[in-house]
Amino acid sequence: GAVVSQHPSRVICKSGTSVKIECRSLDFQATTMFWYRQFPKKSLMLMATSNEGSKATYEQGVEKDKFLINHASLTLSTLTVTSAHPEDSSFYICSAPPGGGAVTDTQYFGPGTRLTVL
Amino acid sequence: GQQVMQIPQYQHVQEGEDFTTYCNSSTTLSNIQWYKQRPGGHPVFLIQLVKSGEVKKQKRLTFQFGEAKKNSSLHITATQTTDVGTYFCAGLGNQGGKLIFGQGTELSVKP
Repeated sequence: GAVVSQHPSRVICKSGTSVKIECRSLDFQATTMFWYRQFPKKSLMLMATSNEGSKATYEQGVEKDKFLINHASLTLSTLTVTSAHPEDSSFYICSAPPGGGAVTDTQYFGPGTRLTVL
Repeated sequence: GQQVMQIPQYQHVQEGEDFTTYCNSSTTLSNIQWYKQRPGGHPVFLIQLVKSGEVKKQKRLTFQFGEAKKNSSLHITATQTTDVGTYFCAGLGNQGGKLIFGQGTELSVKP
């Protein structure tokens, strides 16, 4: 089945530093990928839609200058948390529809990245 | 805006007992998806329901989509310890837009 990988799985950083998270589709092309944030014991919150070859679409309330998204190829999207602060600590998960479709389609999720900002 | 409410938030059962989680939307949905997230893991797609009144089964799991396409349920018969995890529903409104996740139901199973 469709596989989505994420790297790193865990990262601990100091406040003020930037952290890059990679999301790769391993056996299919993904023109669209989605980035979610999940707080402990909470649901998934869609942050943004990553579009290959064009700008990402951010959800209301998500700062685009804070969470930089780059979809450089059909198999790779990156999320950079700039100038991270403790309140950015969370579980970040990416997903992709294997058919290259919309967020309405079945989503295959990456394993997630747990970010801890000290 | 569109909201998807899921209950209960937590459910503790003895192994062998049944379990049900319910999902209700404030608006009519065009489809609903169910995901399972094991502790420490990521959501894994279980199923998608599209038709009004649709019922689908996967071994001990039964998924239903309401006639009005505003609610859905997941029922697990004779739970096992491997069923432990959080079950999320995610719905898409008729007007399009993004998938909205419910709050999830965390299931724990006592052996």
